[in-house]
Amino acid sequence: DIQMTQSPASLSASLGETISIECLASEGISSYLAWYQQKPGKSPQLLIYGANSLQAGVPSRFSGSGSGTQYSLKISSMQPEDEGDYFCQQSYKFWTFGGGTKLELK
Amino acid sequence: EVQLVESGGGLVQPGRSLKLSCAASGFTFSNYYMAWVRQAPKKGLEWVATISTSGSRTYYPDSVKGRFTISRDNAKSSLYLQMNSLKSEDTATYYCARHMYTTDPFDYWGQGVMVTVSS
Repeated sequence: DIQMTQSPASLSASLGETISIECLASEGISSYLAWYQQKPGKSPQLLIYGANSLQAGVPSRFSGSGSGTQYSLKISSMQPEDEGDYFCQQSYKFWTFGGGTKLELK
Repeated sequence: EVQLVESGGGLVQPGRSLKLSCAASGFTFSNYYMAWVRQAPKKGLEWVATISTSGSRTYYPDSVKGRFTISRDNAKSSLYLQMNSLKSEDTATYYCARHMYTTDPFDYWGQGVMVTVSS
């Protein structure tokens, strides 16, 4: 099974700050990597797919990068509405999620 | 507008069964793989089951294999999850989600339904 190790587990950022969240796969996943945002009491929403493709309707301050086993999500200018939990997911071999990152506004 | 609406959750005793449903609308249901994903309280996401477009192929992680069965009725645009021999660790919010193919992301999710396994 492919394991996804996500870091950090929690993060506090100031308004306008640039933040990054990392995801490490236990083996190569050929960029079959997605990022989701989940707000309290809501279902997850797709942000990024294919490691670096922005889902329609997602603000351009979100971006993804990476290859092989290492991937990252960047938010270029933290906004209040970006608070929430973020999860990575691989779909190369079955489907596995990272443990999540809780992002808060400082 | 794509909509996925789960139902069938509730409180169930350990060892008993429960069947969840997901009603889909706003897209051609038979063109999509469908999945169930769960989230225990205050925890992360765990993939639970996936079914192919025709229903001929199903996939499960070891944690539920042999106890859970995913199925679909394309004529009714409905997805199901039959959960047997339930354990306390199955307590979670269960989401249905769609994806175009095995390697595609889950691009739409339902609002979720809560399942509590407790005596």
